[in-house]
Amino acid sequence: DQQVKQNSPSLSVQEGRISILNCDYTNSMFDYFLWYKKYPAEGPTFLISISSIKDKNEDGRFTVFLNKSAKHLSLHIVPSQPGDSAVYFCAAREGGSQGNLIFGKGTKLSVKP
Amino acid sequence: DTAVSQTPKYLVTQMGNDKSIKCEQNLGHDTMYWYKQDSKKFLKIMFSYNNKELIINETVPNRFSPKSPDKAHLNLHINSLELGDSAVYFCASRLSSYNSPLHFGNGTRLTVT
Repeated sequence: DQQVKQNSPSLSVQEGRISILNCDYTNSMFDYFLWYKKYPAEGPTFLISISSIKDKNEDGRFTVFLNKSAKHLSLHIVPSQPGDSAVYFCAAREGGSQGNLIFGKGTKLSVKP
Repeated sequence: DTAVSQTPKYLVTQMGNDKSIKCEQNLGHDTMYWYKQDSKKFLKIMFSYNNKELIINETVPNRFSPKSPDKAHLNLHINSLELGDSAVYFCASRLSSYNSPLHFGNGTRLTVT
């Protein structure tokens, strides 16, 4: 039973355009959400996060939006760059600072020059 | 460089063998984890250690045992390896303070033949 779902296994975007990666979750007790980026043969690296008390968090080209009523979050990358090509994992946490992170299956983003 | 480092990067072994994967972090984190990424690409938590104390133990076979000689190290021992143990294993660490993200190692690809 997947509590965190990334329904698009892949996404292709032209350089300079916006990339939008989506994530849905089922557990209303999740209180913290994160996006990780993973290159081949490397571990996931933290990208950006958002607390459940907020609906938007921005860091440079990356913005995460949270819609709690829809149990949906998205990551926007503007403008997209070829170096952004990677697998992006959505993760959600339940249970405060000691809680587990539950990961989605990831979306492979390809940014074409 | 400050990092989470794990060795070996690749491990090929036969069924029935016992093997270990080592993990070290020099980030001053107080909690360390082992995650497994299976063939379906899900990242699932296996163990975590906080100040030498096991605080999470998901439904993992007891052939898997974490060993933490100090808070900078969390090694994974696997006994009587099975074909289904083939996966990529990631070590991770974080500070247990609220909203501190996970930092991952680069993974160990285990292949059991």
